[in-house]
Amino acid sequence: GQQVMQIPQYQHVQEGEDFTTYCNSSTTLSNIQWYKQRPGGHPVFLIQLVKSGEVKKQKRLTFQFGEAKKNSSLHITATQTTDVGTYFCAGEEDSSYKLIFGSGTRLLVRP
Amino acid sequence: EPEVTQTPSHQVTQMGQEVILRCVPISNHLYFYWYRQILGQKVEFLVSFYNNEISEKSEIFDDQFSVERPDGSNFTLKIRSTKLEDSAMYFCASSEGLAGPTYEQYFGPGTRLTVT
Repeated sequence: GQQVMQIPQYQHVQEGEDFTTYCNSSTTLSNIQWYKQRPGGHPVFLIQLVKSGEVKKQKRLTFQFGEAKKNSSLHITATQTTDVGTYFCAGEEDSSYKLIFGSGTRLLVRP
Repeated sequence: EPEVTQTPSHQVTQMGQEVILRCVPISNHLYFYWYRQILGQKVEFLVSFYNNEISEKSEIFDDQFSVERPDGSNFTLKIRSTKLEDSAMYFCASSEGLAGPTYEQYFGPGTRLTVT
C-alpha cells in the first residue's frame, strides 16, 4: 500500500536557525497537505499543494511539491519558539479520499 | 470561528466493551473523517464518510468499527469489542469539499481512549 516517509524524525534548532522537513511517497500523489500538531494538540491544516513543482509561501514557511508529485518539503526560515510542534505531511493518491500521513518531524526550538 | 467538537475528551473502558465516540462536525461541511493516533506515533486514517455512506476505509477499519450519522449534526465512531491495542487518540475531522480550498480538513480536539 501507499507509504509516506518523513525525515528527519526530530530536529532541535536554535531560535533563528532555519528548519526543513522532507516527505517522500512511494506512489504518485494527487495532492499533498501539511499539518502542524502542537504537543497535546490536534493536527491543524497549513496548506495543500496540487500542481507538479508548485511552491507556496506563508510568511516564514515555504512549501514545495516535487515535479514527479512524489515528494514535498517544508522550510521554515528563522525559526521562533512558536514554531515548536510536529509537522506532518499527508498525501492522497488519485481517485482516493484516503489521506495518508507521514511519520512527522518533531521540531524543538531553543530560545 | 466554527470548530469540530468531540466528546468525551477521555474514555476509559475495559477490554471487550463497546464504546461510542461522538463528534459534531462543522455545520456546512459535507465530508467527515475519523483518524487515530497512538501515543507518539503518526496520524492514521480510519474512514471517510459522505452522503450517509462510507467513501473509503483503511485496513485498520475492520468489522469491529462502524460509523454513523444518526442525525443532522452528530457523527459517531463505534468500536464493538475494544482491544488493548485500540488505545489511542481518536480525531474526527470534517471538510467542506474534496478539492481545492474547500478540502481543508478541520480536526477536532480528539478523544483519548484507554482500554484496560
